[in-house]
Amino acid sequence: GEDVEQSLFLSVREGDSSVINCTYTDSSSTYLYWYKQEPGAGLQLLTYIFSNMDMKQDQRLTVLLNKKDKHLSLRIADTQTGDSAIYFCAESRSNFNKFYFGSGTKLNVKP
Amino acid sequence: NAGVMQNPRHLVRRRGQEARLRCSPMKGHSHVYWYRQLPEEGLKFMVYLQKENIIDESGMPKERFSAEFPKEGPSILRIQQVVRGDSAAYFCASSPRTENIQYFGAGTRLSVL
Repeated sequence: GEDVEQSLFLSVREGDSSVINCTYTDSSSTYLYWYKQEPGAGLQLLTYIFSNMDMKQDQRLTVLLNKKDKHLSLRIADTQTGDSAIYFCAESRSNFNKFYFGSGTKLNVKP
Repeated sequence: NAGVMQNPRHLVRRRGQEARLRCSPMKGHSHVYWYRQLPEEGLKFMVYLQKENIIDESGMPKERFSAEFPKEGPSILRIQQVVRGDSAAYFCASSPRTENIQYFGAGTRLSVL
């Protein structure tokens, strides 16, 4: 099975909040990341959280980590049409050598 | 400071040909990672290299695929005798040392006819 899982689609209206969820399986995860991918583009790092933290906030972005349940979420406040993209959850483990990615959540923001 | 540069952005090959994908890491970065993204999927780790050394190639297919990161010049991912199943986006990332952030390039989209 997949190490990191995400739901495939999310649709919200402009101005609403978006919450994208991710679950992972490896308890040795050290850092967890959210990347954004726009069509035809590479991956842009949005934010990341160390595994001993519960929450991290950065402007419109809030990351929540429930280490017990191995659940990570990304909340985007006041979602804009420019936020439409695919959002990838990723984790790294103790050696940082490789990241493990989810399949991505496609966020569609309706005007 | 330029980001991670990959070229070409798009590459078309016929079955049986060779594909060479190039990656220039960010300035000052000596660690390079290659990932493959199949359609509708997430990125899968292929290989991790430092200058002149392959550190972890656990994600590389056993045949036809090779990677290098020479002392001078970009990292190269080489796919020999390409097949249709090799069609994918190939992303390179770099980091300055073993740390918690990898910076990604825009990718090379390989199409095998």
